[in-house]
Amino acid sequence: GAGVSQSPRYKVTKRGQDVALRCDPISGHVSLYWYRQALGQGPEFLTYFNYEAQQDKSGLPNDRFSAERPEGSISTLTIQRTEQRDSAMYRCASSPTHQEEAFFGQGTRLTVV
Amino acid sequence: GESVGLHLPTLSVQEGDNSIINCAYSNSASDYFIWYKQESGKGPQFIIDIRSNMDKRQGQRVTVLLNKTVKHLSLQIAATQPGDSAVYFCAEKKPKATGNQFYFGTGTSLTVIP
Repeated sequence: GAGVSQSPRYKVTKRGQDVALRCDPISGHVSLYWYRQALGQGPEFLTYFNYEAQQDKSGLPNDRFSAERPEGSISTLTIQRTEQRDSAMYRCASSPTHQEEAFFGQGTRLTVV
Repeated sequence: GESVGLHLPTLSVQEGDNSIINCAYSNSASDYFIWYKQESGKGPQFIIDIRSNMDKRQGQRVTVLLNKTVKHLSLQIAATQPGDSAVYFCAEKKPKATGNQFYFGTGTSLTVIP
């Protein structure tokens, strides 16, 4: 595709359920980033992959959050036992290499009710 | 028009005027900075970047100034147009990052009055 694609665009889930958010980066992009953006705030770094290797997960808030990129392309961010405070826009970004400009997707709006 | 970023998150300017958006960053070890533009309903979009070995960098209608002494960044937009209306974020690269992991500021909302 032409840009970073995220699915679903919107997700409403009940508190306590698990959710999986998908990111399809720009073809050939080596680096992939996950950010979370609360309303009216700037994006908050969650985790970063180079190829399939998770290089930095220091931004994941707690152990309910995990991410994978098993084949170095598509990535999944999983949130277990969701809580209302997890409600936010989850954004994925990718870049050709780890030192180049990252391009953001349109995000997944997660609402936990 | 000018904003102080975190303290005045909204800036309104007349079309054709110059805009200045300010940002204070936190870590003196940060060596790379980016300004992003985010339009409603879209992801952040790269505008211009600057490395810590520079004080100033110019792009098309935009200039970024970096003052490392006081840990301050500014984005200047010349001849502001209605299409410039958006939220602008400064972002500092996480120190010792192996990739481009960034800390974003709160953002400043720019409204251009036709």
